[in-house]
Amino acid sequence: GENVEQHPSTLSVQEGDSAVIKCTYSDSASNYFPWYKQELGKGPQLIIDIRSNVGEKKDQRIAVTLNKTAKHFSLHITETQPEDSAVYFCAASRGNYGNNRLAFGKGNQVVVIP
Amino acid sequence: EAQVTQNPRYLITVTGKKLTVTCSQNMNHEYMSWYRQDPGLGLRQIYYSMNVEVTDKGDVPEGYKVSRKEKRNFPLILESPSPNQTSLYFCASSAKLAGEHNEQFFGPGTRLTVL
Repeated sequence: GENVEQHPSTLSVQEGDSAVIKCTYSDSASNYFPWYKQELGKGPQLIIDIRSNVGEKKDQRIAVTLNKTAKHFSLHITETQPEDSAVYFCAASRGNYGNNRLAFGKGNQVVVIP
Repeated sequence: EAQVTQNPRYLITVTGKKLTVTCSQNMNHEYMSWYRQDPGLGLRQIYYSMNVEVTDKGDVPEGYKVSRKEKRNFPLILESPSPNQTSLYFCASSAKLAGEHNEQFFGPGTRLTVL
C-alpha cells in the first residue's frame, strides 16, 4: 500500500523567511497530493493540492511542486507569518480512486518565530 | 455554513463502557471517513463510507464499528473501549468526483480518554 514519509518533523523559521516541507510517496499510481494545515485545537484544513498532470501549483504565498519521477512533492511557504505556525500534513491518493482514500504523512510542526 | 460537526468534543470514559461519537455533515457529501490522530503517527483511517449503507475498513478498524443509515450522519461506535483507544478522533467528508479524489473536510475533533 501507499507509504508517505514527511520531513523534517519540526521546522522553525524566522518571520519573513521561507519554509519548505518535503514528502515522499511509494505508489507510482498515486495521482492526487493534497496538503492540510492543522491549527491548534482544530481539524486539518486543505490549503493546496496538486494532481499528477501538473508539476507546480501556486496560491499566493504557498506553492506545491511535484516530481513524479522521484516520487516526492514539496510545500513552499514564502514570507512566513506567525499565523503560518501549525502542523502541516501531506497526503497521497491510494488504491481505488472510487473510494477517495488518502495516505497521510505523520505531520510537520512549523514554528514561525516573530 | 458548510461544516462537519462532531459530538462530543471531549469525553472521558472507563474501559468497557460503550460509547458513540456522532458525525454530521451538511454538504450532501457521499464520502465520509473516521481518522484517529496520535502523536508521532499522524492521521490513520479507521473506517470509511462511500455512500449510504456502504462502509469499509480503513487501516486501524479493530475495536470500532460504524454505520451509514443516512447520507449526512456517520457515527463511530466503540462497543468496549480500551485505554489504547485514547486518541483524538476526526470525522471527514468529501464530495464524489467521477474518477478523481476531492477535498476532504474535517470536523473539529473529539478528544477521547479511556481510563
